[in-house]
Amino acid sequence: DQQVKQNSPSLSVQEGRISILNCDYTNSMFDYFLWYKKYPAEGPTFLISISSIKDKNEDGRFTVFLNKSAKHLSLHIVPSQPGDSAVYFCAASGLARQLTFGSGTQLTVLP
Amino acid sequence: DSGVTQTPKHLITATGQRVTLRCSPRSGDLSVYWYQQSLDQGLQFLIQYYNGEERAKGNILERFSAQQFPDLHSELNLSSLELGDSALYFCASSKPGQGALYGYTFGSGTRLTVV
Repeated sequence: DQQVKQNSPSLSVQEGRISILNCDYTNSMFDYFLWYKKYPAEGPTFLISISSIKDKNEDGRFTVFLNKSAKHLSLHIVPSQPGDSAVYFCAASGLARQLTFGSGTQLTVLP
Repeated sequence: DSGVTQTPKHLITATGQRVTLRCSPRSGDLSVYWYQQSLDQGLQFLIQYYNGEERAKGNILERFSAQQFPDLHSELNLSSLELGDSALYFCASSKPGQGALYGYTFGSGTRLTVV
């Protein structure tokens, strides 16, 4: 039973354009949502998070949007850069405070 | 360098064997988490320790066990290894109360290959 789903295994975007990565969740008890970035041969790196009391959080080129009614969150990267090419994982945390991860989306930013 | 150290980086072993993966958390972090990433899969939560005590268990097989020592380093023991145990094993750590919003800090992982 996948509680956090990333339905797009891959995404290609032109440099300078917007990248939109999507994530859906099923557990309504999740109250924190996070995005991680992972390069090959490295561990995941925390990118940005959002509490369920907010619907948007921004940090530089990265913005996370949360739609609680739809149980959907998205990560927007504007403008996209070749260095952003990586696997992006969304994750969610509930009362138990362990992170439940999605399966990841490989983002490729084309020069 | 994330501050979370995992050893070894690579491990190749035969079916039926036992291995130990080691993790040193970031300075000041009391929580240690172990995750498994199989091919094309997300990170599956295995187990969490907090200041030496087991805090939560996820999808951890009975053949697997872990512990956290007084110096806060942790070891994940995998026994009676099967081909399907081949995966990346990540350790992560966090400070008290910060994991939910600020995330965990991950090590670079141990790649286990069972042949």
